[in-house]
Amino acid sequence: AQSVTQLDSQVPVFEEAPVELRCNYSSSVSVYLFWYVQYPNQGLQLLLKYLSGSTLVKGINGFEAEFNKSQTSFHLRKPSVHISDTAEYFCAVSDSPRAGSYQLTFGKGTKLSVIP
Amino acid sequence: DAGVIQSPRHEVTEMGQEVTLRCKPISGHDYLFWYRQTMMRGLELLIYFNNNVPIDDSGMPEDRFSAKMPNASFSTLKIQPSEPRDSAVYFCASSSHKVYGYTFGSGTRLTVV
Repeated sequence: AQSVTQLDSQVPVFEEAPVELRCNYSSSVSVYLFWYVQYPNQGLQLLLKYLSGSTLVKGINGFEAEFNKSQTSFHLRKPSVHISDTAEYFCAVSDSPRAGSYQLTFGKGTKLSVIP
Repeated sequence: DAGVIQSPRHEVTEMGQEVTLRCKPISGHDYLFWYRQTMMRGLELLIYFNNNVPIDDSGMPEDRFSAKMPNASFSTLKIQPSEPRDSAVYFCASSSHKVYGYTFGSGTRLTVV
């Protein structure tokens, strides 16, 4: 069975500072990895995904993530955060090879608070 | 594209009442998922459909919960009778067999008093 661990439930960071949100997963097979963002009172929005190929994945809003198979990690990074990045971020994993049919297992989420 | 549309946005009901949540997926998407989000348990997959057929309902909490997808553009999640512990945000998401990545609706915040 798959599982996702987001190591930090809350991360405060000053505006324009870099941030890293950590995600570790466990799975016995090849995985597909995702980061979603949830703004207050909204649904989840896909930030980026890793399916195969380059281990460095770039997403929307200047975010990127790096897949590290040996460490079973998929940490999310941004070099300079803005107030508008304040949101909850979810890491998710799937091991299904078929697009659309996969079931995502989500982490508990990390609340990013950007301090002016 | 209007995205995944859920209604209502907020629902407050009394314990024992029937509650129906509605979802319209993105046109052309052939997978539909119902999730529940709570502080304690995070995001939980309740059930998902492929081409209107329920594939996996192992996440449905108990018989009080039921879900249907009568056609490709509409799904419902029903709770009968509702209980205070059902209070949560319920999300619908849809996906296509051609693309990896769900599209979520804005959710329905259910409060059972």
